[in-house]
Amino acid sequence: KAGVTQTPRYLIKTRGQQVTLSCSPISGHRSVSWYQQTPGQGLQFLFEYFSETQRNKGNFPGRFSGRQFSNSRSEMNVSTLELGDSALYLCASSRGLYYEQYFGPGTRLTVT
Amino acid sequence: QKEVEQNSGPLSVPEGAIASLNCTYSDRGSQSFFWYRQYSGKSPELIMSIYSNGDKEDGRFTAQLNKASQYVSLLIRDSQPSDSATYLCASYGQNFVFGPGTRLSVLP
Repeated sequence: KAGVTQTPRYLIKTRGQQVTLSCSPISGHRSVSWYQQTPGQGLQFLFEYFSETQRNKGNFPGRFSGRQFSNSRSEMNVSTLELGDSALYLCASSRGLYYEQYFGPGTRLTVT
Repeated sequence: QKEVEQNSGPLSVPEGAIASLNCTYSDRGSQSFFWYRQYSGKSPELIMSIYSNGDKEDGRFTAQLNKASQYVSLLIRDSQPSDSATYLCASYGQNFVFGPGTRLSVLP
């Protein structure tokens, strides 16, 4: 079975721009979660989707948004980028709530 | 604020020894608990999940859960230098909550 894939793997953007990151879960998995990882803050929860519905959202500003499609693929969008948004963005999928998550390789976002 | 706490380390053990990693969680409603390993520059990879009180063994790894004490641990037997990584503990109540990780160094 193919693992979780994320595109793009690396991204360089300028302050004020917006960015869209994509995640394809493991086949059959219906839950997708997004995380931001920085050296100082560790893994911070962004949102969780299950069957196209956002179940939970972490403590991030409204500039961070996401969605999940009917095929379970998910996207997250960050608008009006700030320098502090530079981080590794990780997507993880699971077959359902409470089950183990499997992580993708991440998208490394650099904001200049 | 639901939290998972871990000793940040580094925890250093000699090759062949048992490494013991500990974690506490604050959300009494948590149903599932997980250990992940993350090598530098890589994404976390799942080691084990545990859902009920007691021990769960998988190869060299044993996870222990005590819901009354809100405590989860991971034992790594016969530690190898390749086990050197950051170990993340996570709980799931309303959503996944990850601890800050414990850095383990296995010395040859």
